[in-house]
Amino acid sequence: DTEVTQTPKHLVMGMTNKKSLKCEQHMGHRAMYWYKQKAKKPPELMFVYSYEKLSINESVPSRFSPECPNSSLLNLHLHALQPEDSALYLCASSQGRGDSTEAFFGQGTRLTVV
Amino acid sequence: AQSVTQLGSHVSVSEGALVLLRCNYSSSVPPYLFWYVQYPNQGLQLLLKYTSAATLVKGINGFEAEFKKSETSFHLTKPSAHMSDAAEYFCAVNQAGTALIFGKGTTLSVSS
Repeated sequence: DTEVTQTPKHLVMGMTNKKSLKCEQHMGHRAMYWYKQKAKKPPELMFVYSYEKLSINESVPSRFSPECPNSSLLNLHLHALQPEDSALYLCASSQGRGDSTEAFFGQGTRLTVV
Repeated sequence: AQSVTQLGSHVSVSEGALVLLRCNYSSSVPPYLFWYVQYPNQGLQLLLKYTSAATLVKGINGFEAEFKKSETSFHLTKPSAHMSDAAEYFCAVNQAGTALIFGKGTTLSVSS
C-alpha cells in the first residue's frame, strides 16, 4: 500500500467556521508533511512532523493548527480562515527526513473559504 | 540553502516529439533531486529521483533524467510525447534533510 489518503476531497467553509483536514498513511513512514498549493504555483511547505513531533513550522498563521495523533494520522485544524487561504492542501509522507528520501503525496483537499 | 530553478514555465510539443524540461540546481554539494508530475486537481506523483548511484536515471512512463554536475542540471526527457503526458512537472530538492522544496513548475502541453 503506497497510498496517502486525504479527506475530504473538497471543503467549503465560512470565515467563522472550524473544520479539520485529515490525512492517513499505512506505509510505516515516520515523517509527515502539510503543503499548501495555490493555482499555477508549486506546493509550499507548511509543517513537518517527524516521529509524531512537530519539527518545522514555516511561519504559518495560527489559524492553521496541525496535529499528529499517531504515526499514521495527520490532521490540520482550520479556524477563522480568510478567503486568501483558499487553495489545494496536500499531505505527504516519507520514510524519514533523509536527503535521498522521496515523499508520497495524497490527492489533496480543495479548500474554498467564503 | 539548496534550491532548484526550472527554465520555461510552459513547454508545448507535438505528439511523438521529444520532451525536454529543464531544471538547474544550486548546491555546494551534490544534492538529491526529484521530478514529480501533477495532473489537474490531483496530488503529486514521483517520476524519478537522483541519489548519486547513477547519473542517468530512468523513471516511470518512459521519462528519464541525466544529472550533469558540470552544468548543475537535471533535465527531464522523454523521446516521444503522448497526449497523456500533458500535466504540470516539478523539479524538487530535499533541503538539508528537512523536506522537499519545489521549483516553480513547467506546464507541458501536447498537441495532436
